Amino acid sequence: DVKVTQSSRYLVKRTGEKVFLECVQDMDHENMFWYRQDPGLGLRLIYFSYDVKMKEKGDIPEGYSVSREKKERFSLILESASTNQTSMYLCASSMNTEAFFGQGTRLTVV
Amino acid sequence: QRVTQPEKLLSVFKGAPVELKCNYSYSGSPELFWYVQYSRQRLQLLLRHISRESIKGFTADLNKGETSFHLKKPFAQEEDSAMYYCALSPWMNAGNMLTFGGGTRLMVKP
Repeated sequence: DVKVTQSSRYLVKRTGEKVFLECVQDMDHENMFWYRQDPGLGLRLIYFSYDVKMKEKGDIPEGYSVSREKKERFSLILESASTNQTSMYLCASSMNTEAFFGQGTRLTVV
Repeated sequence: QRVTQPEKLLSVFKGAPVELKCNYSYSGSPELFWYVQYSRQRLQLLLRHISRESIKGFTADLNKGETSFHLKKPFAQEEDSAMYYCALSPWMNAGNMLTFGGGTRLMVKP
């Protein structure tokens, strides 16, 4: 059973803080993704990675960066958190076409 | 590439037929999916067009002429209440990058 685990379920951070969201998968998947989920907007891709140290920008990369030093771990970094980054963040991994999602991290920036 | 779900909310009575609409725009041959998120659960794959199977009574047919992939069920059940997302992936894309629609919340009333 594929497991994608996000380190935090809920997070509250202050404006200007550097924020790290961690995601780990246990199925040796090559592809990993970060999405943000907002009502009415669906899921929007922030970044994805198809191999260790490889990354590609998604649709809304501004204000975010990522790190993939190991195959199983994909980190999302908010360099300087802002209130408009308050959202639900979903991590996913895939090998072929089915994506497996984490439980989500609800981030509130105050 | 773009995925559009025109209805944000669909409310039906138990036993009524359900159709959740999905339209897409993509220049090549895409793979289409429906993902579902039940309350307090993670997002998960419901079905994909290439498998042509019925899952939990739901079916979806890819209509390339109309660029649609509507999700249907003849008799809705209360346990079908959830958030439904249509998603597209470029065929044989190495990154398997999914583009999601805005989502439709299905409410099945008793």
